[in-house]
Amino acid sequence: EAGVTQFPSHSVIEKGQTVTLRCDPISGHDNLYWYRRVMGKEIKFLLHFVKESKQDESGMPNNRFLAERTGGTYSTLKVQPAELEDSGVYFCASSQDMASVSTDTQYFGPGTRLTVL
Amino acid sequence: LAKTTQPISMDSYEGQEVNITCSHNNIATNDYITWYQQFPSQGPRFIIQGYKTKVTNEVASLFIPADRKSSTLSLPRVSLSDTAVYYCLVGAFNQAGTALIFGKGTTLSVSS
Repeated sequence: EAGVTQFPSHSVIEKGQTVTLRCDPISGHDNLYWYRRVMGKEIKFLLHFVKESKQDESGMPNNRFLAERTGGTYSTLKVQPAELEDSGVYFCASSQDMASVSTDTQYFGPGTRLTVL
Repeated sequence: LAKTTQPISMDSYEGQEVNITCSHNNIATNDYITWYQQFPSQGPRFIIQGYKTKVTNEVASLFIPADRKSSTLSLPRVSLSDTAVYYCLVGAFNQAGTALIFGKGTTLSVSS
């Protein structure tokens, strides 16, 4: 079974440009999460999708970040315009529908390393 | 989610047993304890989860005392490849959509 995949693995852009990150969750997982780690900080939650609906966006830092999950499959996270402080590693995770499991184990992708110059 | 405290770093040698203890004094009745492992340039990987007493899988054991205010991750006979950051997380993981709250974790360095 394929794990969570993320694309690209690395992205280097200039301040003011736009970048779109993609996450493909494990097949059949309804829950999809975005996290990020900025320089020297802990991994922080950004938002959570249940299928195509945003369940919790409390971690999104500002309106320069836009996440979508059309059709409830893969998700994209767009940063527009990118700022220097957006540099970091962006992780995606997915978990199964809670009706089928007793605890919510989240499976993480390898992350996308974003560098804003 | 309950706050956790764990050592920032630990050193070990190959073949030794490593025990990493995590304190979670404010754990709630419906909270589970979960440990994740993260290698450089990879995402966190689920290791083990428990609610009380002892849980064992092919990777590690998790010991939880009766008061559940702490837990100990035990890695038997570590190898160089066990060098990683280990995170202890506490939360109501029986609820969908729980945002995981990561602390600084424990950086384990295994030497030959």
